Amino acid sequence: GENVEQHPSTLSVQEGDSAVIKCTYSDSASNYFPWYKQELGKRPQLIIDIRSNVGEKKDQRIAVTLNKTAKHFSLHITETQPEDSAVYFCAAGSDSWGKFQFGAGTQVVVTP
Amino acid sequence: DGGITQSPKYLFRKEGQNVTLSCEQNLNHDAMYWYRQDPGQGLRLIYYSQIVNDFQKGDIAEGYSVSREKKESFPLTVTSAQKNPTAFYLCASSVGPGELFFGEGSRLTVL
Repeated sequence: GENVEQHPSTLSVQEGDSAVIKCTYSDSASNYFPWYKQELGKRPQLIIDIRSNVGEKKDQRIAVTLNKTAKHFSLHITETQPEDSAVYFCAAGSDSWGKFQFGAGTQVVVTP
Repeated sequence: DGGITQSPKYLFRKEGQNVTLSCEQNLNHDAMYWYRQDPGQGLRLIYYSQIVNDFQKGDIAEGYSVSREKKESFPLTVTSAQKNPTAFYLCASSVGPGELFFGEGSRLTVL
């Protein structure tokens, strides 16, 4: 089955700096890679996703890159702000329903 | 408001008791899911359902049971057979095999 590894487990950045979180996956059939943000005590929410037919996707300060050959994908947050502080989860899945495998999460702390 | 409602938010259970967590959605989504979240671990899939009266085991289904009698509802029962049930449980739904919409979660503590 799919296995997703996520690094680092914690990330502390100064406000305004960039943050990068990396994930690797094992199942070459995976073709959908979402990123979820979970603020303390709240539900996870999708912030960006990418499908295997594209290599990069951007949405304002957030971008995701995908390297299918190496089976890894990354989340990039630029110009970090205190409200970016949260736990971020990567996931990998295919067109098979419900087969998302989540990474263990990265606790991001943005210090003013 | 459209969304997913989980109840109760907090639940305490004695060992040996079954408990049922409620999940209701008014998004008209076909698929519903139950995930378990433990500290330092990612979300792990317990059960999912693509259609009424049908559901599939996820990665950690042992000790859990579900039903899907209505499109809007997907309750999860944590049975006494679940050896380590203390966790945060998240219900989710989706239109298809894409974005998951999560509920607020239910925190179960076994005393």
